[in-house]
Amino acid sequence: GDSVTQMEGPVTLSEEAFLTINCTYTATGYPSLFWYVQYPGEGLQLLLKATKADDKGSNKGFEATYRKETTSFHLEKGSVQVSDSAVYFCALSRTGTASKLTFGTGTRLQVTL
Amino acid sequence: NAGVTQTPKFQVLKTGQSMTLQCAQDMNHNSMYWYRQDPGMGLRLIYYSASEGTTDKGEVPNGYNVSRLNKREFSLRLESAAPSQTSVYFCASSLQGGKETQYFGPGTRLLVL
Repeated sequence: GDSVTQMEGPVTLSEEAFLTINCTYTATGYPSLFWYVQYPGEGLQLLLKATKADDKGSNKGFEATYRKETTSFHLEKGSVQVSDSAVYFCALSRTGTASKLTFGTGTRLQVTL
Repeated sequence: NAGVTQTPKFQVLKTGQSMTLQCAQDMNHNSMYWYRQDPGMGLRLIYYSASEGTTDKGEVPNGYNVSRLNKREFSLRLESAAPSQTSVYFCASSLQGGKETQYFGPGTRLLVL
């Protein structure tokens, strides 16, 4: 079945540091890939997505590229801010009558001054 | 435009009690979903409704029932709560199936004693 593997957290960085959160997936066919972010006490919100191989999703300075050859969708940001502190979830969905999401376990990011 | 709303925000139950979690969306979305979030396990799909009038089991449906009351509303019922159902429950919706983005509610925190 489908699965998503994320790097374990928590990840602690100083403000303005470079961020990478690794995500790899297992799925047949051509899933869509997503990064969702969950700020403390809130629900999840979409950060970025990519729907086909070599697509790059980007939003708020975050980027991720859909790499089919390595089945990866790593999240990167060049300079993190304290306000980026949150839990980040990688997810995939398959084409079907409902866009059921398969999530990774989440990676907590803590950014300090 | 409230997006996805959930009630209640927090609930404490005793083992064996029943309750219904309510979810509504005002985005005219066709598909709706219920997830549970547990530490170290990401989000897991309980049930989903691809369109009004249809419901299907997700990854962890045991102990739950759902009702798609109309296009806007999708409720989750625990008939006889167990401590293993202590979790945070999220409702989500998407315009349709396939690779559509899901929009999440703020969550319901449930504690079963």
